[in-house]
Amino acid sequence: QKEVEQNSGPLSVPEGAIASLNCTYSDRGSQSFFWYRQYSGKSPELIMSIYSNGDKEDGRFTAQLNKASQYVSLLIRDSQPSDSATYLCAVTAFGNEKLTFGTGTRLTIIP
Amino acid sequence: DGGITQSPKYLFRKEGQNVTLSCEQNLNHDAMYWYRQDPGQGLRLIYYSQIVNDFQKGDIAEGYSVSREKKESFPLTVTSAQKNPTAFYLCASSPTGKRHSPLHFGNGTRLTVT
Repeated sequence: QKEVEQNSGPLSVPEGAIASLNCTYSDRGSQSFFWYRQYSGKSPELIMSIYSNGDKEDGRFTAQLNKASQYVSLLIRDSQPSDSATYLCAVTAFGNEKLTFGTGTRLTIIP
Repeated sequence: DGGITQSPKYLFRKEGQNVTLSCEQNLNHDAMYWYRQDPGQGLRLIYYSQIVNDFQKGDIAEGYSVSREKKESFPLTVTSAQKNPTAFYLCASSPTGKRHSPLHFGNGTRLTVT
């Protein structure tokens, strides 16, 4: 089992709809969770971080964390063509300072 | 502007040659990292350093070497011992290196070895 798993996609969502991206992790002791966006050929950029159970909202983005079920999700409201990118989930386990990345989900917003 | 500078953007080398990738940051971050990204795969950690003159191996350190003589600089050498060096290399930094501290990435170096 991979430490951090994401559906590779591609995930296609109509413009204006809600895009839902999911990530599961295997280490129950994981404590820090991050979502990065990576445009093709570019480097990842941080869009959300979440550390406790529940929802965290930032503009059109909402991160949701459920430690009991070991998943973290990212919702993008009012999706725009500029949101088309690969979204990487990253997790840091307890006692481990290293980030482990998932393979990413490729999201395409259809105009 | 503060940021992380990786150079060069594209690098071509012949098999059997060592090559050094540059990474400089002016964010005053303590921790620096090197990742490798291959098509369809996530980022894999090569080496990281949380303090000057100290660094640790990541998950795929074989065939690579690093140094951290200055806080701002963390060069990566890809040696001829690295079996499959062609990849996209990303340097990153974080303020403290602790697990709550997010990474900031440079623009990457795309290395092609033939």
